[in-house]
Amino acid sequence: ETGVTQTPRHLVMGMTNKKSLKCEQHLGHNAMYWYKQSAKKPLELMFVYSLEERVENNSVPSRFSPECPNSSHLFLHLHTLQPEDSALYLCASSQGLGGYEQYFGPGTRLTVT
Amino acid sequence: TQLLEQSPQFLSIQEGENLTVYCNSSSVFSSLQWYRQEPGEGPVLLVTVVTGGEVKKLKRLTFQFGDARKDSSLHITAAQPGDTGLYLCAGAKRRSGQAGTALIFGKGTTLSVSS
Repeated sequence: ETGVTQTPRHLVMGMTNKKSLKCEQHLGHNAMYWYKQSAKKPLELMFVYSLEERVENNSVPSRFSPECPNSSHLFLHLHTLQPEDSALYLCASSQGLGGYEQYFGPGTRLTVT
Repeated sequence: TQLLEQSPQFLSIQEGENLTVYCNSSSVFSSLQWYRQEPGEGPVLLVTVVTGGEVKKLKRLTFQFGDARKDSSLHITAAQPGDTGLYLCAGAKRRSGQAGTALIFGKGTTLSVSS
């Protein structure tokens, strides 16, 4: 058990749908991250939150909207996605920002049809 | 341009064999981490190396950080089917123009160990 949970584990959505991914960490960490993992590509960092404040947004399209209501919860709101957005979306947390050891959740496998 | 190159990309071996996978870069990292990811799961941290030349052992896994802190290797002795997975290296690097460091991931080495 990693201490970071993600729901749902699998999601299929149409391009006109709105859905949200949820991440919860039980490790007492103060930084949380969203990553996108596609086939044949390195993990792509999307967003970074430190103490509930967004500190990094790596040129992610506005159809992805993160929310961090407290240091234990992180959401990724999705709307009008494209088929190329299909991927594994991973949440991670760390005690300390950036290069510190990160603990990942199991991911949400997203398929956009 | 890929900042961290991992090789080989794929490796398929028999149980009991030894293997080494590599993580190379032209950049210097303040630390480097190795993760293992199984299908359908998130990466799990195996080890962090910090000092140039450092060697860490985790049972049958030996991790080495290069003297110049630009590269790393992972050696597995007597591989077992349970070692199957995607091995990712990630280097911590100061972010240009911003505070703090970022974790840069390689594409990974996919290891398959058959019995």
